[in-house]
Amino acid sequence: GQQLNQSPQSMFIQEGEDVSMNCTSSSIFNTWLWYKQDPGEGPVLLIALYKAGELTSNGRLTAQFGITRKDSFLNISASIPSDVGIYFCAGLNNAGNMLTFGGGTRLMVKP
Amino acid sequence: DAGITQSPRHKVTETGTPVTLRCHQTENHRYMYWYRQDPGHGLRLIHYSYGVKDTDKGEVSDGYSVSRSKTEDFLLTLESATSSQTSVYFCAISVWDNQPQHFGDGTRLSIL
Repeated sequence: GQQLNQSPQSMFIQEGEDVSMNCTSSSIFNTWLWYKQDPGEGPVLLIALYKAGELTSNGRLTAQFGITRKDSFLNISASIPSDVGIYFCAGLNNAGNMLTFGGGTRLMVKP
Repeated sequence: DAGITQSPRHKVTETGTPVTLRCHQTENHRYMYWYRQDPGHGLRLIHYSYGVKDTDKGEVSDGYSVSRSKTEDFLLTLESATSSQTSVYFCAISVWDNQPQHFGDGTRLSIL
């Protein structure tokens, strides 16, 4: 099946620092999504991107849909302890019925 | 809260037994999905439904069946559970295809 390469796999940062993570694919996607998952819970949608080149913000989060439609990145500015969790990128296929997930980025924030 | 309830939240069972997991939604969304989440594999689609009695296979459908007799309920069945099906199972919904999916809180299934 399709593969999404998400990096880094984990990050341990100081509170207040900015964070950047990205996702690349060998295939084109029409929609990129970014989710956050806390322990014992399901993924929660953070940002949805629908057009190549699109740059979208949600509070301290900013994400971009790559021009080639094969990549996306997520930035978190001024991290806080509640940003701790696992962040997943996901690409929606052309038929719109299957999400392919990256392996996740585990974010740890030191107060 | 996306209006999705998964039951049970935890289950331990033995190899060879049948298992049914339930996903109930209150959003009246047309599309429903079942994923499994495993270390090193992320989330992978098992089956999905695009309407009552309309279902299709996903990436890892072998050993699983689904049914959707009502808009609000989507059942995932393991006819004869195997240890390789030990996983966390997530249900998701979307109002239509090409729309973001919203997830339930998961069912942790252990097969001994």
